[in-house]
Amino acid sequence: AQSVAQPEDQVNVAEGNPLTVKCTYSVSGNPYLFWYVQYPNRGLQFLLKYITGDNLVKGSYGFEAEFNKSQTSFHLKKPSALVSDSALYFCAVHGISNYQLIWGAGTKLIIKP
Amino acid sequence: GAGVSQTPSNKVTEKGKYVELRCDPISGHTALYWYRQSLGQGPEFLIYFQGTGAADDSGLPNDRFFAVRPEGSVSTLKIQRTERGDSAVYLCASSLRAGGVDEQFFGPGTRLTVL
Repeated sequence: AQSVAQPEDQVNVAEGNPLTVKCTYSVSGNPYLFWYVQYPNRGLQFLLKYITGDNLVKGSYGFEAEFNKSQTSFHLKKPSALVSDSALYFCAVHGISNYQLIWGAGTKLIIKP
Repeated sequence: GAGVSQTPSNKVTEKGKYVELRCDPISGHTALYWYRQSLGQGPEFLIYFQGTGAADDSGLPNDRFFAVRPEGSVSTLKIQRTERGDSAVYLCASSLRAGGVDEQFFGPGTRLTVL
């Protein structure tokens, strides 16, 4: 069965420091991996995706993520955090043979000034 | 351009009543998805449309839930005999192509409260 794990309910980072939000997955075959962000009272917004190709994927707002097949991970990263990055971040995955996007429980990112 | 819209934004109903939730996807998007999100959880897949047909409805929790997309654009999620456990935010998303490789664009959601 497909699954996604976001092991941290909350991540706290000081503004200007690098941030990492972790995601691991389990899927049959090659995965399609996504990161979305949810700001308070706003809809989910797409950040970036990995479909194939280069393991390092760059996305919106300076975020990037690295696909690691051996560790089945797709961690979200940013070199220098902004207070405005504070939000709820979701990792999602589906396999090549179906269309159900399976979501992690989300990680609350708090950037402190 | 216009994004995905959902109406109503909030719906309060009594146990046992029937509700309809509407989704207007981005014009030209082939694929449409419905999800349910409870507090503190990620979205839970309900159903996926490719054009007018439901390509995958395996996420619908039971036969009280039904969704349609008769003309391949607007979709309606219908819930019969609502139960308190149906209370959640119902999200709609659309993507340009079917097949899952495109990012999904989400609406703001409909918050359903069953009293």
